[in-house]
Amino acid sequence: GQSLEQPSEVTAVEGAIVQINCTYQTSGFYGLSWYQQHDGGAPTFLSYNALDGLEETGRFSSFLSRSDSYGYLLLQELQMKDSASYFCAAYSLNSGGYQKVTFGTGTKLQVIP
Amino acid sequence: NAGVTQTPKFQVLKTGQSMTLQCAQDMNHNSMYWYRQDPGMGLRLIYYSASEGTTDKGEVPNGYNVSRLNKREFSLRLESAAPSQTSVYFCASSERRRPNEKLFFGSGTQLSVL
Repeated sequence: GQSLEQPSEVTAVEGAIVQINCTYQTSGFYGLSWYQQHDGGAPTFLSYNALDGLEETGRFSSFLSRSDSYGYLLLQELQMKDSASYFCAAYSLNSGGYQKVTFGTGTKLQVIP
Repeated sequence: NAGVTQTPKFQVLKTGQSMTLQCAQDMNHNSMYWYRQDPGMGLRLIYYSASEGTTDKGEVPNGYNVSRLNKREFSLRLESAAPSQTSVYFCASSERRRPNEKLFFGSGTQLSVL
């Protein structure tokens, strides 16, 4: 089966750092990704981790621990425009060896002044 | 490049009516996906297609059918719409291309079934 768990809501102050966690149970797992979605918009790609460790892209970093089935997204120097929903997504191979991508339920981040 | 194009953007149906949501991508991607998004439920996978000629069920396939017409196009059909299918539908495409395997999403279709 496939399941990904994230906190439903997080509130943080502008300029601060926030971490959004994701735990997954995914058969055939091979990578974890993060997507951002503003209200009324489509999800957009932020990062992808295939290996354990930290990947950094500007103010955003993402971490993966395959042994713990756990990852997180770290947002630094928060800005008001970072207020959005954030989804972790598990990449796996189905029984036919094809790519499959399933999403968590999302974390709504509110950045306050 | 247009990326992923979905039509229509909005649709209102009556219970029992049928319709097809269209999706096309111009990035020569092999994999295409249909998701639905409901408040508090995240994105749930309906069907996906790894290549032309193959389709697989996702987490919530009941009440839907799909067609991978060619490499570019992947359509989602509701044969007999139900109010429970009121949702926002997203089509996406991707390619297994390291180091980043990103999904590209269409702008979504807001569907209401009355």
